[in-house]
Amino acid sequence: SYVLTQPPSVSVAPGQTARIPCGGNGIGRKGVHWYQQKPGQAPVLVVFDNSDRPSGIPERFSGSNSGNTATLIIGRAEAGDEADYFCHVWDVDTYHVVFGGGTKLFVL
Amino acid sequence: EVQLVESGGALVQPGGSLRLSCAASGFTFSDREMNWVRQAPGKGLEWLSYISDSGDTIYYADSVKGRFTVSRDNAKNSLYLHMNNLRVEDTAFYYCTSEEAGDEFDFWGQGTLVTVSS
Repeated sequence: SYVLTQPPSVSVAPGQTARIPCGGNGIGRKGVHWYQQKPGQAPVLVVFDNSDRPSGIPERFSGSNSGNTATLIIGRAEAGDEADYFCHVWDVDTYHVVFGGGTKLFVL
Repeated sequence: EVQLVESGGALVQPGGSLRLSCAASGFTFSDREMNWVRQAPGKGLEWLSYISDSGDTIYYADSVKGRFTVSRDNAKNSLYLHMNNLRVEDTAFYYCTSEEAGDEFDFWGQGTLVTVSS
């Protein structure tokens, strides 16, 4: 089965750019989506199709995807960006949705 | 405003059954593919099931195939998850999500808690 690998945590200083990787075999050929989840809340879609933003999501959130790594990029990080972030793909070979294990972003 | 409201979560004994519901509003439910996703306390997201807009196409994660059944009633704007033979490891928050054309999950409910314990 297809596996997505994320680091357990990433730290970034306020105002700097955070990069959260999501690794998968040939992930560059897939559409990757990203969700933000704050404690006690449901996940929220922040980036879809590798780099597009839903309405209402700040332009600071973007993404890239190439080779075996997709990356969520959060520019000018703020304290309010502290959350868990999950990547997601559709595995067309197994007709299964796959989530990465999640990365906790610390802004400090 | 799009709303997805799950209900039906409860404390149930191992081997028991439960039916979760998800009431949708604020969009044309019959046009949208839907999914169930769960999250054990302190853990990551686990996809469980997909159902097409018409209900004709259904997929399950291996962990629940044969035990869980997804269904929908487009006339009632509702999604369901029938869960049988529940195990302790099924303890989690259960979310329903709507799926956009590009297979991203654009809206999520607030979740309902299922606890499986004796």
